[in-house]
Order: sequence, then structure tokens, then C-alpha cells
Amino acid sequence: DTGVSQDPRHKITKRGQNVTFRCDPISEHNRLYWYRQTLGQGPEFLTYFQNEAQLEKSRLLSDRFSAERPKGSFSTLEIQRTEQGDSAMYLCASSYLPGQGIHGYTFGSGTRLTVV
Amino acid sequence: AQTVTQSQPEMSVQEAETVTLSCTYDTSESDYYLFWYKQPPSRQMILVIRQEAYKQQNATENRFSVNFQKAAKSFSLKISDSQLGDAAMYFCAYRRGETSGSRLTFGEGTQLTVNP
Repeated sequence: DTGVSQDPRHKITKRGQNVTFRCDPISEHNRLYWYRQTLGQGPEFLTYFQNEAQLEKSRLLSDRFSAERPKGSFSTLEIQRTEQGDSAMYLCASSYLPGQGIHGYTFGSGTRLTVV
Repeated sequence: AQTVTQSQPEMSVQEAETVTLSCTYDTSESDYYLFWYKQPPSRQMILVIRQEAYKQQNATENRFSVNFQKAAKSFSLKISDSQLGDAAMYFCAYRRGETSGSRLTFGEGTQLTVNP
């Protein structure tokens, strides 16, 4: 297991198009998180899953955003009708409960979205 | 709501010298964890060090140590014998206790430059 994988690394899309990102967590991790990071800022929480259940969603996650983790393994984050303000790095992280407070999260390398 | 503040947008240090990055946080919780993450230009967030709030002893990891002042809600990171590879963006992060919540709240980050 090589860590948290995210695909694609970069995505350029036209405004109004839909995009989907994928995250493959560390296999034994039961929690999966999505964060958004704009240039020069710290990551902001979007949502997280425990197994296949989506337990919390940020107010940042508008109706155009949806996330799934159908089998408790990989997750997808879809953005519909993209806007230029959606341009950011989308980070995925995973952890194992219990013990995540001690070990923290493992982050992926992110997907950089550019909306033109 | 919990907040994390890093008041130093940029810091620089000479190779082999020591530098301290500041972080303050605001919370009404008694059970929580604090982290320092490093984000090199490759963008993958890497855990540097963590501190459990119930522990009075400051955490250390090789050249990295923290000064945790719970009453003052301060959590600074000291990097000793700085190396060129330490150059990165450093984020302070807060997380509520194991049974309370799961999201990480990040500060704005401090860009560390290491001069040869």
C-alpha cells in the first residue's frame, strides 16, 4: 500500500462543465476526508466518511458538490456546473478510528482544478 | 467554533540554525489534539509532530519540538539544525477529541525559507 492516491493530478475544465475526482485511501483506513485548499491558504474541510456513511458536510459544500464512498473504499467528489471560484486544490485524506488523534491523517497529493 | 491562527506568513532561517513558528488556537474543549503539518512544493501534506492536550510534556520528533502552552492556547514549533529540505509551508492544525469530531481545522500557514 503506497498511501492515499488521488486522480487526476490536474484537471482543466470550462466553466459550466461537470468534473469528478477520485480518491483511494489507505486500505485499512475507515475514515476518508475531503478538503479544499486555495493558493496561499490552509485546507478547508468539506466532508468526511466513516466507511460508506457520510457523517459530516461543511457549509462550503454547496448543492453543486456531491461526494460518495459507495463500498467504504474509494471515494469520488463531483462538482456540477463548475464556476471559476471552484478553482483550487482538492485534497483527500484518510485515517483509522480509533487512534487517528494520535496518528493524524495521511493526505494524498491532491487534484488541482482550474476552471477557465 | 475552533480557530487556528498563524501570525507569521513567512519566516526564513539560515541552514543549521534554529527557527520557531508560532501558532495560537481558540477552543472551549478540554480534549483535543494539535498537529504541525509540512507541505513541500510537491503539495503532499506530511505530519511533522502532534500533541495530545492532556499531556503536559512537550512532544519532540528528532529536530522538531513543540512548546505547548495550554493555558495560553499556544502551540509553537521549533526546528533545530535547519536543513534545506525543511523549506516548505507549515500548517498548524487542531482536532477535537477522539469521541467528539473528526475534522482538522488548519491555520493559514507559514512559508519557511531555509538559506544556505
